[in-house]
Amino acid sequence: GAGVSQSPSNKVTEKGKDVELRCDPISGHTALYWYRQSLGQGLEFLIYFQGNSAPDKSGLPSDRFSAERTGGSVSTLTIQRTQQEDSAVYLCASSLASGNTGELFFGEGSRLTVL
Amino acid sequence: GEDVEQSLFLSVREGDSSVINCTYTDSSSTYLYWYKQEPGAGLQLLTYIFSNMDMKQDQRLTVLLNKKDKHLSLRIADTQTGDSAIYFCAESRGGGNKLTFGTGTQLKVEL
Repeated sequence: GAGVSQSPSNKVTEKGKDVELRCDPISGHTALYWYRQSLGQGLEFLIYFQGNSAPDKSGLPSDRFSAERTGGSVSTLTIQRTQQEDSAVYLCASSLASGNTGELFFGEGSRLTVL
Repeated sequence: GEDVEQSLFLSVREGDSSVINCTYTDSSSTYLYWYKQEPGAGLQLLTYIFSNMDMKQDQRLTVLLNKKDKHLSLRIADTQTGDSAIYFCAESRGGGNKLTFGTGTQLKVEL
């Protein structure tokens, strides 16, 4: 498809398990972003990729969170030893690196529920 | 503070105007944005304003920017039920593409 694709759309896991969330950005978009949306919390920035490198990881909440991007395209967000407070919708967005207006194109998100 | 602030809820009647307000933090933001999130969907860019403008109009949407007070507003004229959604304002801190979003305002349009 032409948009940002995320999988899985829904994930239910048990506390302590690891999860991987995948993002496939729009073709040609070199910038990729992960945000977390919690109820009543708005969107929380997690990490930003330019190509395969991550110049800004400042939003990752703990060392249980990591992300990688390979081939300048697909990105994976990994949460190790999940906790109940990790329950949220994880949104991925992509953009043109040199986009003057900074428009981000968002996927529909991966809803994570940690029991 | 460091947060981009918005009120959480707004309820209007169909046909009335809606005004959603936002207070941002970074005076160096080049652009300020309004994104819309419909139920179960990702965010979509609704409109944006360049920081050297104080008003932008786009069909039913009017964006007002008060740089002195760091206040941004979105007015939707003739609000329709299809406008029911969560509206997020966002700023580009440091002028880059990394956006900082507000908490979102849930707009409910009643018949």
